[in-house]
Amino acid sequence: DTAVSQTPKYLVTQMGNDKSIKCEQNLGHDTMYWYKQDSKKFLKIMFSYNNKELIINETVPNRFSPKSPDKAHLNLHINSLELGDSAVYFCASSQRGLAGANEQFFGPGTRLTVL
Amino acid sequence: AQSVTQLDSQVPVFEEAPVELRCNYSSSVSVYLFWYVQYPNQGLQLLLKYLSGSTLVESINGFEAEFNKSQTSFHLRKPSVHISDTAEYFCAVAGGFKTIFGAGTRLFVKA
Repeated sequence: DTAVSQTPKYLVTQMGNDKSIKCEQNLGHDTMYWYKQDSKKFLKIMFSYNNKELIINETVPNRFSPKSPDKAHLNLHINSLELGDSAVYFCASSQRGLAGANEQFFGPGTRLTVL
Repeated sequence: AQSVTQLDSQVPVFEEAPVELRCNYSSSVSVYLFWYVQYPNQGLQLLLKYLSGSTLVESINGFEAEFNKSQTSFHLRKPSVHISDTAEYFCAVAGGFKTIFGAGTRLFVKA
């Protein structure tokens, strides 16, 4: 059974379009994250939710909007896509623990290509 | 605020040779330290972590890392690497709800 799953795995779209990436975890974790990994492999936190509540919101354009319908799901919607949005987006989850001591479990990633 | 510096972006090494991937961190509070590995076209997975206690931590596949508070380092070592160890390795520091990842070190094992 897949612990953290993302759909779609690949997403190719035109500039200006709106797209969504979905993430689900079946680990019973309280906390979920979205990361962006650029072409140089640099991994940057975008958002984090704990029990459906937004707790981390980094400096991300407001074209990016996360939504957590329940604590097992965290979706990412992107409006008006730009070339610079091309990257691999990773969803992750962890059990809520003392000051971040718990490991994060990552999904397989969604490779977004904006043409 | 925390930060992580991985001192080498790429480390090429021959099979069965030892390797060290270097990681330095900075933080004003107590932190937890991690090494994650990313194989090609996959997500990250935990390799090992330091929370407290013994400063030397080990993974099931032969890697080890030592927490050195005075040098603010958490270097990753393996005495003999395999071709299958070729991957991207990320050092990370956690405090509060946020985990900060280093820029990654690509370990490339040659036959």
